[in-house]
Amino acid sequence: AQKITQTQPGMFVQEKEAVTLDCTYDTSDPSYGLFWYKQPSSGEMIFLIYQGSYDQQNATEGRYSLNFQKARKSANLVISASQLGDSAMYFCAMRGNRDDKIIFGKGTRLHILP
Amino acid sequence: DTAVSQTPKYLVTQMGNDKSIKCEQNLGHDTMYWYKQDSKKFLKIMFSYNNKELIINETVPNRFSPKSPDKAHLNLHINSLELGDSAVYFCASSQGNRGLNTEAFFGQGTRLTVV
Repeated sequence: AQKITQTQPGMFVQEKEAVTLDCTYDTSDPSYGLFWYKQPSSGEMIFLIYQGSYDQQNATEGRYSLNFQKARKSANLVISASQLGDSAMYFCAMRGNRDDKIIFGKGTRLHILP
Repeated sequence: DTAVSQTPKYLVTQMGNDKSIKCEQNLGHDTMYWYKQDSKKFLKIMFSYNNKELIINETVPNRFSPKSPDKAHLNLHINSLELGDSAVYFCASSQGNRGLNTEAFFGQGTRLTVV
């Protein structure tokens, strides 16, 4: 069975600092995709970044990067130079190649302090 | 243009009523989903459809019945609503290329409150 684990229910980070949000996963699928979503207080789900299991390089999208360590089954999100607007819930998600199911972790609530 | 739109955004209803939530996507995607987000923000998949065909049914009570008239629409009908059904329901769509970089695009959510 597939599983996503986010062990940090909440984090407080000073503005302009870098922050790492942890995500570990478990799957028996030979190939899979890993995603991060942001959910601000307004409630919408915003796609941030994707990493494929066979990608050789870690994904980057602006201030977001994904620290993918396949052997450890981890896919941590790194946000550089955090901003007040980064305060939100962050979800790690995974999609296997056997079905179209996208499963989510329980999320990490990130608070950026001025 | 809204990529994935669901209506209504808010729904307040009494226990025992039947209600529907509509979802439409204009992205040309093959796969659509319904997710339930509870008060602790946990997102749980309920259903997945691919080209109008039910693919995933995650042991959801049969009071919940999805209907996909075409691949651009996936509606959710809920019978005999219970207090525990109160949650935010998200519709999402994605291209059906399994395991590839096909993220899901989400609607804005429907906050259902059963009183």
